[in-house]
Amino acid sequence: GESVGLHLPTLSVQEGDNSIINCAYSNSASDYFIWYKQESGKGPQFIIDIRSNMDKRQGQRVTVLLNKTVKHLSLQIAATQPGDSAVYFCAWTGNQFYFGTGTSLTVIP
Amino acid sequence: SQTIHQWPATLVQPVGSPLSLECTVEGTSNPNLYWYRQAAGRGLQLLFYSVGIGQISSEVPQNLSASRPQDRQFILSSKKLLLSDSGFYLCAWSVAGFSYEQYFGPGTRLTVT
Repeated sequence: GESVGLHLPTLSVQEGDNSIINCAYSNSASDYFIWYKQESGKGPQFIIDIRSNMDKRQGQRVTVLLNKTVKHLSLQIAATQPGDSAVYFCAWTGNQFYFGTGTSLTVIP
Repeated sequence: SQTIHQWPATLVQPVGSPLSLECTVEGTSNPNLYWYRQAAGRGLQLLFYSVGIGQISSEVPQNLSASRPQDRQFILSSKKLLLSDSGFYLCAWSVAGFSYEQYFGPGTRLTVT
């Protein structure tokens, strides 16, 4: 399947800086994309989504960018806070739901 | 509003023992249901999904099985646990169809000793 269990890449940022987390997806026919946040010991929680007819969507302190040409998705977190420390997963649809490998974000106070 | 429950929250089982994890969803009808496993420091691995009662699709051949005896109940089982079955098990639901977000339960931490 497209969702696999691989070791997580990590990203460390200073509190107050902006964070950018990237994801490459594999299905050019996907029409729906989501970013999830997973804190330690908890289930993933929805952050923001985007449909394939858009290339940018903004939420509260978060922005998702979609580049369908290169099958790339990114999550930008503005003014990163210690509470943003978590693992972030992208997900996309195909004939089922697929998850990226995830990125572990650590915010340094 | 919809809620998803999983139990138990943590479980320690010896190798060779059986397993039964339960997941229930409230506040929605005919959901798609999913079981995922997450090893420490790794991503999500889809194990099973179900689009209706008695309909189970398996993504990874292994010694686990799933059942959906009721519309909003999803059970993950094993007859004999292996050490490699240790991990964080997550149940999720979505509205029917795959083009909608999945909502995750709190997870079950399974340690096989």
